[in-house]
Amino acid sequence: GQNIDQPTEMTATEGAIVQINCTYQTSGFNGLFWYQQHAGEAPTFLSYNVLDGLEEKGRFSSFLSRSKGYSYLLLKELQMKDSASYLCAVESFSGGYNKLIFGAGTRLAVHP
Amino acid sequence: DADVTQTPRNRITKTGKRIMLECSQTKGHDRMYWYRQDPGLGLQLIYYSFDVKDINKGEISDGYSVSRQAQAKFSLSLESAIPNQTALYFCATSGSSGGAYSTDTQYFGPGTRLTVL
Repeated sequence: GQNIDQPTEMTATEGAIVQINCTYQTSGFNGLFWYQQHAGEAPTFLSYNVLDGLEEKGRFSSFLSRSKGYSYLLLKELQMKDSASYLCAVESFSGGYNKLIFGAGTRLAVHP
Repeated sequence: DADVTQTPRNRITKTGKRIMLECSQTKGHDRMYWYRQDPGLGLQLIYYSFDVKDINKGEISDGYSVSRQAQAKFSLSLESAIPNQTALYFCATSGSSGGAYSTDTQYFGPGTRLTVL
């Protein structure tokens, strides 16, 4: 079956660093996405990892280990506007199609 | 103008009513998707379409139907709405994937908040 786990909630301080973990068990793994979603708004694309290692994009970085079924999103120099839910999504290839399977999301609260 | 639009943005309806949610996109993408999101749960795929003649059921298609009227338009219908279909509904689009290891980033519309009384 398909299973994606990430913490439900996290809190952090403005200016700090936070790491949001995601573990997965899926068949036909193709890659892993991270999306940001502010309350009541649409998810927006943050990053995509297909190979093992770290992808850095400004204050945000994402890491993938395919052998361990593990990814994390690293947010540096936290700002209040980073308070949002962060969705881990596995790209699964089956039946000739790619589909995204989403975790429940991690709600991050950044406080002063 | 937004690349992916959804109408209506909010809808309150009664049990048993037929409801249609509409999605339009100007990104020129082939692939379109409908998801629902409930508090504490991930986005769940209802239906997806990889071109105008291709419609596929997702994880939770029971009680829903879809129509792909054109490349740019994909509508979701609830034939007889029930209270547990109260949720936030998102439409998404993505470009054609070139193969098993190419990126298929999905772009989401603003969502429709549906309440069934």
